[in-house]
Amino acid sequence: DSGVTQTPKHLITATGQRVTLRCSPRSGDLSVYWYQQSLDQGLQFLIHYYNGEERAKGNILERFSAQQFPDLHSELNLSSLELGDSALYFCASSLRTSGSTDTQYFGPGTRLTVL
Amino acid sequence: AQSVTQLGSHVSVSEGALVLLRCNYSSSVPPYLFWYVQYPNQGLQLLLKYTTGATLVKGINGFEAEFKKSETSFHLTKPSAHMSDAAEYFCAVGSTGGFKTIFGAGTRLFVKA
Repeated sequence: DSGVTQTPKHLITATGQRVTLRCSPRSGDLSVYWYQQSLDQGLQFLIHYYNGEERAKGNILERFSAQQFPDLHSELNLSSLELGDSALYFCASSLRTSGSTDTQYFGPGTRLTVL
Repeated sequence: AQSVTQLGSHVSVSEGALVLLRCNYSSSVPPYLFWYVQYPNQGLQLLLKYTTGATLVKGINGFEAEFKKSETSFHLTKPSAHMSDAAEYFCAVGSTGGFKTIFGAGTRLFVKA
């Protein structure tokens, strides 16, 4: 158990809909990262927040947005969903601001299925 | 810019055989190198990490990796494979001052009885 929690575990929705994925980092960790994992694209970095502020952006679509709240939990919002958004979405956390040198602790993921 | 290449998307070994998963990186600054493992239906977890200093890094579950600057490689090895090692393995690179870790495409390890 990494100490990172994600809810829900599974989400099934329809095209065009909007969903919110939630992540609680390990106790004491200030950084949160979001990743998308699919069979065709592999593991893709989406976005990194540190202590409430956005630090780095990866291949995140404009239809997707994220935020980190004062209690350090984070939410990833996916809107106007398409079939191709079906994937596993992972949240990871680390202690410091540097996403590049820190060990990241991954949650169990949310499996999103868009029908 | 940094990049990671994992050679072989699938590797199959027999139980008890040597495991060798290959990773080459590209970095214009001293790299931090990671190996993560993902078991079925789980998130990634750290196997081992190279920062500076000793080039042979020991990790969990009997895995180790050697940093070879001249070859820009960080291959992962284990002397004797167990069935429980079957998983996907990701090599990753970062650096001081960088904001994101770059992950390789992953290598799926199959272990045959």
